[in-house]
Order: sequence, then structure tokens, then C-alpha cells
Amino acid sequence: EAGVVQSPRYKIIEKKQPVAFWCNPISGHNTLYWYLQNLGQGPELLIRYENEEAVDDSQLPKDRFSAERLKGVDSTLKIQPAELGDSAVYLCASSPGGGFTEAFFGQGTRLTVV
Amino acid sequence: AQKVTQAQTEISVVEKEDVTLDCVYETRDTTYYLFWYKQPPSGELVFLIRRNSFDEQNEISGRYSWNFQKSTSSFNFTITASQVVDSAVYFCAQSNFGNEKLTFGTGTRLTIIP
Repeated sequence: EAGVVQSPRYKIIEKKQPVAFWCNPISGHNTLYWYLQNLGQGPELLIRYENEEAVDDSQLPKDRFSAERLKGVDSTLKIQPAELGDSAVYLCASSPGGGFTEAFFGQGTRLTVV
Repeated sequence: AQKVTQAQTEISVVEKEDVTLDCVYETRDTTYYLFWYKQPPSGELVFLIRRNSFDEQNEISGRYSWNFQKSTSSFNFTITASQVVDSAVYFCAQSNFGNEKLTFGTGTRLTIIP
């Protein structure tokens, strides 16, 4: 069974430019998460989806970040405009949902803003 | 508020030695879950174990074992007869029942010296 797939693996952009990350969760997983991992830190939740509904986006900086999960499967996370401080790894994870079970993570997208 | 503390930033041991990674958590909830994840250089977070707050039995899986003690709010992870492939960053995490958000510690970088 395929795991969580994220693309791209690496992205370098200039500040003030837009950027988008894509995630394909494990088939059948209703819950999808986006986490932010700064260097030397543990991941921090940005947003959690139950199917296509964002049920926890309290940590998402809504002035520049947006996310969507159309049809309750794939998801995209967008930053516009990017700032130097956005340089980090963006991790996508999924779980079956319906009460907590372990989350399965993708390999992440490493963003560098120059 | 939830908090997970991994006081050991980096640990190095010689191959075949045993090593214990410490994790201390804080939560006001009485029902919660505890996790350990492994993050190898490839970047993907690999799920290792989940424990719920009602089950304080220690668990062993091959060379891995976990010691959960509610009295000290600790969930420590021991690797017996360490191997070079165990080299990675290990994260302890916690979530409360009904809230599928993982709160991670800052991680412990484990290096196994051949």
C-alpha cells in the first residue's frame, strides 16, 4: 500500500513569491494534517481536515497561508507571499479517522525562501 | 495546555549498547495518547508506538521497549543492543482524547557509533 505522497520534495523560491505544496494521503484515510517543522524542532500542526472540512485551523497564519482539500482526498497548502521565516519542512500526514489512531507521515517538502 | 519535553538533545552510543530516550509530558486531560516516532535522514516520520492513558503496561517489540509511568508523567523509550540503523531523530508526542492534534517534543538525535 502506498504511503503519504508529497510533492515537491524540495522548493527554493524568492521572498514574496507564491508557493504550493501537494499531498496525497493514504487511500481511505479521512483525516489529513499539515504540520510545519522548523529546524531542530518537532512538527507543529497547521491544519487538520476531516474529509473536506477543516476542523482545526487555529494555527494556520491565514493572512498568507491557505489550504484546501477538494473532494476529501488530495490537499494543497499555499503560501502567498512567502517570507524568509517560512523556510522549513512542511509535512503532510493522514489517519483513518473515527477516533484517534496513529498518523502516517509523508517525507515532507523542504522549503527554502531566499 | 499540552507540553512534551525531551530533555536529551543529542545522544551518542557505541553499537550494541543499550540506550534510553526520555520523554515527559504535561496534560490536564485524564484520557490521552502517547506516541513515539522515528525520523531518519530521509525526513519521513515513522510511527513506532501508541499508548493510551489507561494502559500502563510496559511494551516490548523486538529490541524496542517502552516504559509508561503516569506517576511521573513519563514515557521512556529504550533500544537494546543498538544498531547503526537506529541512528535518527526520535520524537515523543501526545494527544488528548477527542482532539486528534499531536503535540511533539523537540526530539532527541541518536547517533550509533559503529
